[in-house]
Amino acid sequence: QMQLKESGPGLVKPSETLSLTCSVSGASITTRDDYWGWVRQSPTKDLEWIGSISYSGDTYYNPSLRARLTISADASRNQFSLRLASAAASDTGVYYCVRHRDGYYIFDSWGQGTLVAVSS
Amino acid sequence: EIMLTQSPASLSVSPGETATLSCRASESVSKHLAWYQQKPGQSPRLLIYDATTRATGIPVRFSGGGSGTEFSLTISSLQSEDFAVYYCQQYRTWTFGQGTKVEI
Repeated sequence: QMQLKESGPGLVKPSETLSLTCSVSGASITTRDDYWGWVRQSPTKDLEWIGSISYSGDTYYNPSLRARLTISADASRNQFSLRLASAAASDTGVYYCVRHRDGYYIFDSWGQGTLVAVSS
Repeated sequence: EIMLTQSPASLSVSPGETATLSCRASESVSKHLAWYQQKPGQSPRLLIYDATTRATGIPVRFSGGGSGTEFSLTISSLQSEDFAVYYCQQYRTWTFGQGTKVEI
């Protein structure tokens, strides 16, 4: 049974970098055709895809966040990470790590989510 | 950016009844549309993809329809565990609708 679990600070100061890690169990992040990504949900419950990294390390970013975003993976730890620079209050929300496959943005597995607040 | 508009925003139904939710895309997404269910305090769960295909383990009372710009999710014989928020998502790119809350 595959599981994804997010970890990271629950509070980030404005202008600092928001960093989260997703630990994957029950599956390998290097499995061919698997993609690993991040989706966030705002306090008003809107969902937004942030970005993804493929099994081979290619990255795909939401254009609205591209300038501030880095997604990376550590195959030895079976983890992938998100770094969002220059955090603002509008980045507050629940962050989910997700899996999708074959390059399609169909999110078939989700982590439990982690709440991140951007506040001084 | 492709916009998705869900209607209604909320829907009151009784257990055992049928609920029909709508999702309209601002331009054609062919059949690249998925539906998710989210219960309070939980992550979204994939219900339907490719507009009409149920995901693994999803009961047959959930059915999806449509193509192009008009889509629907029908929940037949509503069970107590079906009261939740439902989101559509297009994956011609990646945007989500704003959700429909199905309540008792």
